[in-house]
Amino acid sequence: DQQVKQNSPSLSVQEGRISILNCDYTNSMFDYFLWYKKYPAEGPTFLISISSIKDKNEDGRFTVFLNKSAKHLSLHIVPSQPGDSAVYFCAASRAWNNDMRFGAGTRLTVKP
Amino acid sequence: NAGVTQTPKFQVLKTGQSMTLQCAQDMNHEYMSWYRQDPGMGLRLIHYSVGAGITDQGEVPNGYNVSRSTTEDFPLRLLSAAPSQTSVYFCASRYRSSYNSPLHFGNGTRLTVT
Repeated sequence: DQQVKQNSPSLSVQEGRISILNCDYTNSMFDYFLWYKKYPAEGPTFLISISSIKDKNEDGRFTVFLNKSAKHLSLHIVPSQPGDSAVYFCAASRAWNNDMRFGAGTRLTVKP
Repeated sequence: NAGVTQTPKFQVLKTGQSMTLQCAQDMNHEYMSWYRQDPGMGLRLIHYSVGAGITDQGEVPNGYNVSRSTTEDFPLRLLSAAPSQTSVYFCASRYRSSYNSPLHFGNGTRLTVT
């Protein structure tokens, strides 16, 4: 069962505009959420995270929003740059639990 | 600082063959894990270890064995390869003592089983 879902396999945006990537989860026990970015032929790299006690976390151009009641989180990239073109994975886990679940990924293309 | 190193980068096996995917990290991370990435499925946890001598199963452990004799190394063994094990395999590690410590991934091993 996929407990973390990214329903959009791909997203294309223009350089300078906002990119919004979405993620839904089904397990209400999850309390820690992360976004990873992956370039071809490389492993995923950590981008930003948020714990369930917050509803927003910001790091430069990247902001993650968490809506616990809807079991939904989103990643906003503003402004988008061509170098942001990659596959983005959403992940979730419970505190101190060793089983982190990942979504299927969304391929973001930022056009110059 | 090499981080997480995986070898080999590519491997082709025939059905029934066995092999070991190597993973080493130089960050003194207690926690190490193996994931497989398949199209439309994301990353799925195969096995993990919270320290030397301790291993446990993840979401998709069947057909794979692991051991952890040192902090640095966490090899993944395919006992009898099957076409369903064709995938990209990622090793990852993190500090165990902090629950919100993110995973550090290697660059992956692309395995094809014919």
